[in-house]
Amino acid sequence: SQQGEEDPQALSIQEGENATMNCSYKTSINNLQWYRQNSGRGLVHLILIRSNEREKHSGRLRVTLDTSKKSSSLLITASRAADTASYFCATRDQTGANNLFFGTGTRLTVIP
Amino acid sequence: DGGITQSPKYLFRKEGQNVTLSCEQNLNHDAMYWYRQDPGQGLRLIYYSQIVNDFQKGDIAEGYSVSREKKESFPLTVTSAQKNPTAFYLCASSQVGSGANVLTFGAGSRLTVL
Repeated sequence: SQQGEEDPQALSIQEGENATMNCSYKTSINNLQWYRQNSGRGLVHLILIRSNEREKHSGRLRVTLDTSKKSSSLLITASRAADTASYFCATRDQTGANNLFFGTGTRLTVIP
Repeated sequence: DGGITQSPKYLFRKEGQNVTLSCEQNLNHDAMYWYRQDPGQGLRLIYYSQIVNDFQKGDIAEGYSVSREKKESFPLTVTSAQKNPTAFYLCASSQVGSGANVLTFGAGSRLTVL
């Protein structure tokens, strides 16, 4: 399976703290994406980083990518209660197929 | 508003029955996908379609069937051959050729087998 893995599986922090989630994957990739899922809802795309990029920012989100270690991290700064959700990484491999392979997710709880 | 509409949101099925989940998009996306999500798990690909009248099996296609007669529509049928169909089903779409393949998801359909 090409499915990635997020670490930790669950994370609980106080509002205002930073949250860091990690993703490891198995194959060479074209890009890596992070998605957010509120409980019982669909996923929402957050940010994409291409294989030739090492870091990317979007608002309070910072994503890093280390292709030599086949890993990525998502940092959410100054967390808010509304950030409570599950976060998934997804990879698109280099075969040219149009599919994304999703990780198992990190459940983030931000305590007000 | 542009987006993906899945229906029904909740569906109950007796064992041995086929059920069809609807997925409609007005984003003019070429590609559409069906994923299955089990509690506390990631998403697993059931079927995908990159063009009308063509579709491919994903990782867990057994017990499922799809059709793509229109660009906007990609219904999923969960057949009686699917041994454990209780799950959350997510439909998504994307634009082919963008190089990025960012997915837009529907709100999901929760199927429960009684």
